[in-house]
Order: sequence, then C-alpha cells, then structure tokens
Amino acid sequence: EPEVTQTPSHQVTQMGQEVILRCVPISNHLYFYWYRQILGQKVEFLVSFYNNEISEKSEIFDDQFSVERPDGSNFTLKIRSTKLEDSAMYFCASSEALRFSETQYFGPGTRLLVL
Amino acid sequence: KQEVTQIPAALSVPEGENLVLNCSFTDSAIYNLQWFRQDPGKGLTSLLLIQSSQREQTSGRLNASLDKSSGRSTLYIAASQPGDSATYLCAVNYGGSQGNLIFGKGTKLSVKP
Repeated sequence: EPEVTQTPSHQVTQMGQEVILRCVPISNHLYFYWYRQILGQKVEFLVSFYNNEISEKSEIFDDQFSVERPDGSNFTLKIRSTKLEDSAMYFCASSEALRFSETQYFGPGTRLLVL
Repeated sequence: KQEVTQIPAALSVPEGENLVLNCSFTDSAIYNLQWFRQDPGKGLTSLLLIQSSQREQTSGRLNASLDKSSGRSTLYIAASQPGDSATYLCAVNYGGSQGNLIFGKGTKLSVKP
C-alpha cells in the first residue's frame, strides 16, 4: 500500500542552524501538508501546498519557515534559523485532491530536537 | 476560534470490553471528520473519515458516528484487544481552500490483557 515517507526520522541541531525536513508524498496525491506536534500537545497545522504554491499557512508558519517541491516527488520544509521552541515532531501529509471528502495520509514524522 | 475537545484524556479497560471515545467541536459547519490512531513516538494512522453528509462509518471493529448539530463524534471500539492500546485522535476539516485539519488532544487508551 502506498505511504508517505519522511527523512530523517530524527534530527538534532544547534539553535540558529538551518534544517531541511524531507517528505515523499503518495505519488498520485496533489495536496501536501506539514503539521507539527510539540511533546504532550496537540497536532498543529503549519502549511498546505498545491500546484507549487502555498494554499494556506497558520500563524506558526512565519518567515523562518519555507516549503518547496524541488522535483516531482519530494516536498521539503526548511526552518531557516532554528529556535529551542521548534523542537517537535514534524509530520508530512498528503491527499489525493482538493475534495473535502478526501482522507489525509500522514508520514511517520521527523523528530526535531533543537539544543 | 474553532476547537476540538476529546474526553476522556485517558481510558483503561480490560480486554474484550466495548468502549466509546468522544470528540466535540465548537463549530458545526464541518466538511469532514477524521479519526486517527497514534502509537507512542510514531506517526498518525487514519482509521475512519466521515463526511459531513454521513452519520456513521464502519471499519471492522470500529464504528464512528457524527452528529453535526450537536458538534459531536464518537468512536466505538468493539471487543477491545491489547493491540488497540494507543492514542486516538479526532481531527476536523472545516474546508476552505486548504482543508487543513484541527486536532483534538487525543484519548490515550490502554487495554489490559
């Protein structure tokens, strides 16, 4: 069964460093999302992406964050200058089309630790 | 502000028991609602999706219901097993151009053998 994959599974970085989290959505899916989950808290929406541009972003997704689809398969989240509070599990998700009945499928996550 | 609440936060039951997990949402104008399972330190596995026009969905021992007017959904698990132990998350899609999900904090279920 097709699945969303994410790399790396774990990332440790120093505060102020740039990190890039990578995702490979399910191949025929058109909508892509990033969510994050700070330890012990709710899963929170960051950004959605369609047709090579951001569709919607939350107030969390400030100028330090960016997303890109550099080729036909990868979808990346870049944090330009990490802060301690960026430590969280980051989930990528994809859905087949912008029809509101469509299920969002989540990857296994990247656990980011900022020291 | 749209909020999703899940009660109880934790639940422990003996194996074989039927159980109900609750989800409530503040704005009834939803497009769909999705139930997920999350194992410790792992990703989210989609269990069921209920569209706004539906009243319930079933998959195996799982049955999810939706009552938009009261802002509630329930996840019914029949004949629970130790392998069902996980955190169950409810997420609401209010639509718009992006269809992002708003999550509850989850119910941590423990099924004792």
